[in-house]
Amino acid sequence: QQPVQSPQAVILREGEDAVINCSSSKALYSVHWYRQKHGEAPVFLMILLKGGEQKGHEKISASFNEKKQQSSLYLTASQLSYSGTYFCGDKAAGNKLTFGGGTRVLVKP
Amino acid sequence: DAGVIQSPRHEVTEMGQEVTLRCKPISGHDYLFWYRQTMMRGLELLIYFNNNVPIDDSGMPEDRFSAKMPNASFSTLKIQPSEPRDSAVYFCASSSQQGQKLFFGSGTQLSVL
Repeated sequence: QQPVQSPQAVILREGEDAVINCSSSKALYSVHWYRQKHGEAPVFLMILLKGGEQKGHEKISASFNEKKQQSSLYLTASQLSYSGTYFCGDKAAGNKLTFGGGTRVLVKP
Repeated sequence: DAGVIQSPRHEVTEMGQEVTLRCKPISGHDYLFWYRQTMMRGLELLIYFNNNVPIDDSGMPEDRFSAKMPNASFSTLKIQPSEPRDSAVYFCASSSQQGQKLFFGSGTQLSVL
């Protein structure tokens, strides 16, 4: 069972904010976020562990609520370079990272 | 470090042929993962290894798929016989320890005609 991401796609103007949500049906140890540019491999953004922590990468931050089995990725003051597909991955027992269906982000000038 | 190296970058083959995809993980990484990406199914985990031992192959779609890791620096994913529905991008990824970030290779674009 893969995590569910929403929205499936979002279009932004440079400087605008967006939130991507990730919801899992499993009790989680951690949530991972990756970004994939067209024609390239996914690239790691951040890992969030139990404890409701928040992390940041440039002006991209994320939160993890393990009780609700949810994570959110926040794109703040978006830049053109933020365009791509964002994937969350959930990790329960073991080292099996299962990715959601992805959220396509397009940042326009 | 050169990163995770996959070969070939592109593979075009005919239905029924055997296909072998190759991966060299980052030196020192203990975990190796094979993922498949399609528009319909997204990024699917096929199998992963720890210290060259297959740990979870529940994502391998059928007996036509097999994966090996004969040593710490090399892994193969084989499809025999290949079918058009196997067309996808196959990614290999490695990580240094449990729970840590994955480093992906550039992927192999497989087209089965």
